[in-house]
Amino acid sequence: EAQVTQNPRYLITVTGKKLTVTCSQNMNHEYMSWYRQDPGLGLRQIYYSMNVEVTDKGDVPEGYKVSRKEKRNFPLILESPSPNQTSLYFCASRGGQFTYEQYFGPGTRLTVT
Amino acid sequence: AQSVTQLGSHVSVSEGALVLLRCNYSSSVPPYLFWYVQYPNQGLQLLLKYTTGATLVKGINGFEAEFKKSETSFHLTKPSAHMSDAAEYFCAVSDLGSNTGKLIFGQGTTLQVKP
Repeated sequence: EAQVTQNPRYLITVTGKKLTVTCSQNMNHEYMSWYRQDPGLGLRQIYYSMNVEVTDKGDVPEGYKVSRKEKRNFPLILESPSPNQTSLYFCASRGGQFTYEQYFGPGTRLTVT
Repeated sequence: AQSVTQLGSHVSVSEGALVLLRCNYSSSVPPYLFWYVQYPNQGLQLLLKYTTGATLVKGINGFEAEFKKSETSFHLTKPSAHMSDAAEYFCAVSDLGSNTGKLIFGQGTTLQVKP
């Protein structure tokens, strides 16, 4: 089954404790993105990747890092989480430069206390 | 820059009634438009999309949307609401003017279906 998976689905952590949210897709997609969803703001792109070793900032990149060492994986790293990063996070992928339909993972609900 | 506005953060309809969720966009280039649905505790599922061609597009679960360039709108409709349609709905436009590959989302509309 074609899908995007994320782990963990739920995470409660404390300020400053580094964490990683994993994302994997099995569709051989080139493009991958991370979004955060906040009430009344819709989804906003954090980082994106056009292919292996090619990543760039989205609209709200502060406090986040990403890496793309393999085509299928695109982890999101919070080196020093803060309470304002409490949010619902989605990983997404799409096929290539001229395909615009995106496939979303199930989401990771992060709470930073 | 492209943007999306969804009119009404909450919409309530009775079961069997018409569903109309409004979406207006702003784009300097011909837009690619999408509607996604998010059921509680789940990710986003694509309902339908408009890229080129026919302006009335049909999606899953009986939903459809019409692209109206003159009105810069892409409203989502369903003739008869089911209880299972209760969810949050997002309209989005693809950011065609950059390499980000991102979707620009509206704020979302929560659909409540009353028995």
